[in-house]
Amino acid sequence: QKEVEQDPGPLSVPEGAIVSLNCTYSNSAFQYFMWYRQYSRKGPELLMYTYSSGNKEDGRFTAQVDKSSKYISLFIRDSQPSDSATYLCATTTGTASKLTFGTGTRLQVTL
Amino acid sequence: NAGVMQNPRHLVRRRGQEARLRCSPMKGHSHVYWYRQLPEEGLKFMVYLQKENIIDESGMPKERFSAEFPKEGPSILRIQQVVRGDSAAYFCASSPLGAGDEQYFGPGTRLTVT
Repeated sequence: QKEVEQDPGPLSVPEGAIVSLNCTYSNSAFQYFMWYRQYSRKGPELLMYTYSSGNKEDGRFTAQVDKSSKYISLFIRDSQPSDSATYLCATTTGTASKLTFGTGTRLQVTL
Repeated sequence: NAGVMQNPRHLVRRRGQEARLRCSPMKGHSHVYWYRQLPEEGLKFMVYLQKENIIDESGMPKERFSAEFPKEGPSILRIQQVVRGDSAAYFCASSPLGAGDEQYFGPGTRLTVT
């Protein structure tokens, strides 16, 4: 079993839709949670960084962490064609530095 | 304010040759991480370095791979005697602090072994 599971998609939504992207993890030692956006043949770009359970909002993006169920989510409101990319969830413990990534969900926002 | 820089962006090597990948962290960042991304797979951690020290190399293959982050200059990931299975995108990330800190990624080096 992978430490972080993520549905690879692809996920196709119309412009303006609310997008929900999700990951589950198995290691209860994970405390820091990140979402990255990766365009084709580019480096991952940090979108959201959260610690412990709860919500964090930044513009059209909301990151949600539920440590009791080991479930993390990224919501994108008013999705745009420019949001079309692969979204990677990542996590780490408080003592290790390496990030453990999900395999990524490919999102396509259509006009 | 320049981000993480990596060069070369594309590298083609024949089997048996050496590949050298370079990474310059963001200004003010002293922690460097290398990750590898194979086609259709997520990013996999390879090694974590601070200046002149390897802190965690648990994801690095035992043979042919090495990494350094000298006092002066960029971090270097070196792959000796490359094989076709080494073809991948190699990403470098940096952070100002260590454990649990935000990591910022460079554009990657795409290595193709022919």
